[in-house]
Amino acid sequence: DTGVSQDPRHKITKRGQNVTFRCDPISEHNRLYWYRQTLGQGPEFLTYFQNEAQLEKSRLLSDRFSAERPKGSFSTLEIQRTEQGDSAMYLCASSSLAGGLNEQFFGPGTRLTVL
Amino acid sequence: GEDVEQSLFLSVREGDSSVINCTYTDSSSTYLYWYKQEPGAGLQLLTYIFSNMDMKQDQRLTVLLNKKDKHLSLRIADTQTGDSAIYFCAENDKIIFGKGTRLHILP
Repeated sequence: DTGVSQDPRHKITKRGQNVTFRCDPISEHNRLYWYRQTLGQGPEFLTYFQNEAQLEKSRLLSDRFSAERPKGSFSTLEIQRTEQGDSAMYLCASSSLAGGLNEQFFGPGTRLTVL
Repeated sequence: GEDVEQSLFLSVREGDSSVINCTYTDSSSTYLYWYKQEPGAGLQLLTYIFSNMDMKQDQRLTVLLNKKDKHLSLRIADTQTGDSAIYFCAENDKIIFGKGTRLHILP
């Protein structure tokens, strides 16, 4: 247990539905990341926050995806009008950038299946 | 664009050394990382190396960095069954992971 939790662990939804995932980072960490991982691939960066500010978004993050971190603590990732191609493991990680070292602590992930 | 490449599979006999290689394109990374992902588990940082170092040793792990060739390697000495996992190298500044090398231990 890294101290980063994600909810739910599994989500099955029908195409076209909206889904929302939550990530609770390690409390003193100011950075929070979202990644997507599909079978046989490494984690693909989606977006990250420093405190409550969303500093970078990948081009993978279409306008159907939105992420928030309203109080600089937990974060949510919402996918609207889900498509079968959205099926993946969604990973959250947190870190506190110290001296340039960005050790990220990963949560267990939320596995999304879009039928 | 930036990219990180790794070989996808490696089979090693128990007790031998494993060497996992990685090439990257972004030379501005301050640190380079090795993460480990065990079956059904999340990623965990295994080790890292500062970009101005050539080598770092940490118990059974040795990281070698060749900045000129943009090549990073991870050597695991005396490989054990518990080392079976997928190993990802990652660049820091652009938050890019490789596809991972699946290490399989032969009895």
